[in-house]
Amino acid sequence: DTGVSQDPRHKITKRGQNVTFRCDPISEHNRLYWYRQTLGQGPEFLTYFQNEAQLEKSRLLSDRFSAERPKGSFSTLEIQRTEQGDSAMYLCASSLVFGYEQYFGPGTRLTVT
Amino acid sequence: AQKVTQAQTEISVVEKEDVTLDCVYETRDTTYYLFWYKQPPSGELVFLIRRNSFDEQNEISGRYSWNFQKSTSSFNFTITASQVVDSAVYFCALSLYNQGGKLIFGQGTELSVKP
Repeated sequence: DTGVSQDPRHKITKRGQNVTFRCDPISEHNRLYWYRQTLGQGPEFLTYFQNEAQLEKSRLLSDRFSAERPKGSFSTLEIQRTEQGDSAMYLCASSLVFGYEQYFGPGTRLTVT
Repeated sequence: AQKVTQAQTEISVVEKEDVTLDCVYETRDTTYYLFWYKQPPSGELVFLIRRNSFDEQNEISGRYSWNFQKSTSSFNFTITASQVVDSAVYFCALSLYNQGGKLIFGQGTELSVKP
């Protein structure tokens, strides 16, 4: 069994470009979460899915951000018209249901120049 | 409001010393879970332990132990006989049933264990 995987691991983009990240959760996990972590801070919640339904979005998730989880499997996080403030590590995690530990992927480090 | 506070930003110890990482949480919910995660220099968050709000039993796992006290809203983590490989950033996190189980993280404590 593999853990949570994320692709790409690193992304450098110019301001104004669109980027898309992918997360593959642990196969039997129903819940999938996206977090963002900046240097020296703890991860901050962005959004989560229960199967294919997106159940909550943080206020941090501006309308430039969109996430999907088609068929309740992998998920994508897209950022449109990137800004320098979007530079961060984007983490994906999956879990069974509430109360169970979330397993994190290695993250995608985004640098916006 | 829900919040997790890790007041210790950085701790430095010498190998074989014991060290305790503090975590204080705030919530009015009665059903919640608490977690500790380790983030080594490689960057990937590693799950260490979870505790639910109805179970105040302390736990020991090898050199690690956790002390959960609802009366003081604390969930402290002790490493006994620290080793260089314990050097990492440690995060305490809170998960609320009424908020979909998302993790609310503290700021983290960076532990440096010197040989």
